[in-house]
Amino acid sequence: GAGVSQSPSNKVTEKGKDVELRCDPISGHTALYWYRQSLGQGLEFLIYFQGNSAPDKSGLPSDRFSAERTGGSVSTLTIQRTQQEDSAVYLCASSLAGGLPDTQYFGPGTRLTVL
Amino acid sequence: KQEVTQIPAALSVPEGENLVLNCSFTDSAIYNLQWFRQDPGKGLTSLLLIQSSQREQTSGRLNASLDKSSGRSTLYIAASQPGDSATYLCAVKQNTPLVFGKGTRLSVIA
Repeated sequence: GAGVSQSPSNKVTEKGKDVELRCDPISGHTALYWYRQSLGQGLEFLIYFQGNSAPDKSGLPSDRFSAERTGGSVSTLTIQRTQQEDSAVYLCASSLAGGLPDTQYFGPGTRLTVL
Repeated sequence: KQEVTQIPAALSVPEGENLVLNCSFTDSAIYNLQWFRQDPGKGLTSLLLIQSSQREQTSGRLNASLDKSSGRSTLYIAASQPGDSATYLCAVKQNTPLVFGKGTRLSVIA
């Protein structure tokens, strides 16, 4: 595809369940980012991948959050034992090399609702 | 810690008006500043990216300026149209991730 894609577009889950969110970056983009947008808040950085490595995980809010990237392409963000405060839109972005100017291209997001 | 503030939080204008959205940041040591547009239920679309060495960038009816030393940027939209209605986000790049403001929600009334 031409852009960043994310699945599912919407996810409703019960408190305590695990969820997996998927991101397909633009082909050839080595850098991949996960952000979270909570109601009334700005976008909050979660984790950054360069290839399959994650040199910056500083934004992950707790050890219930983890992410991996395989083959330098698809990434999965996993949230274990979901809590209501995890409800947000999770956005993925990719860029060509992660350097400068590093224009990031965003996917449409996954809206997660934890009941 | 870098903080990005956008004023106003919401703005409603009649069609055809020129308008200015404001963005300020606390740490002037940035590599670049980017303006995005976000439509409901959609991802972010990059509008303009200004490198730290640049003063402004233009694309069509949009003009973004950057005053790095004072920690400010403005997005000027000329001759606004109902299709411009969206949330506009400002983001600065210092290290790897972008640091975003909370956005300005713009409504252009026909």
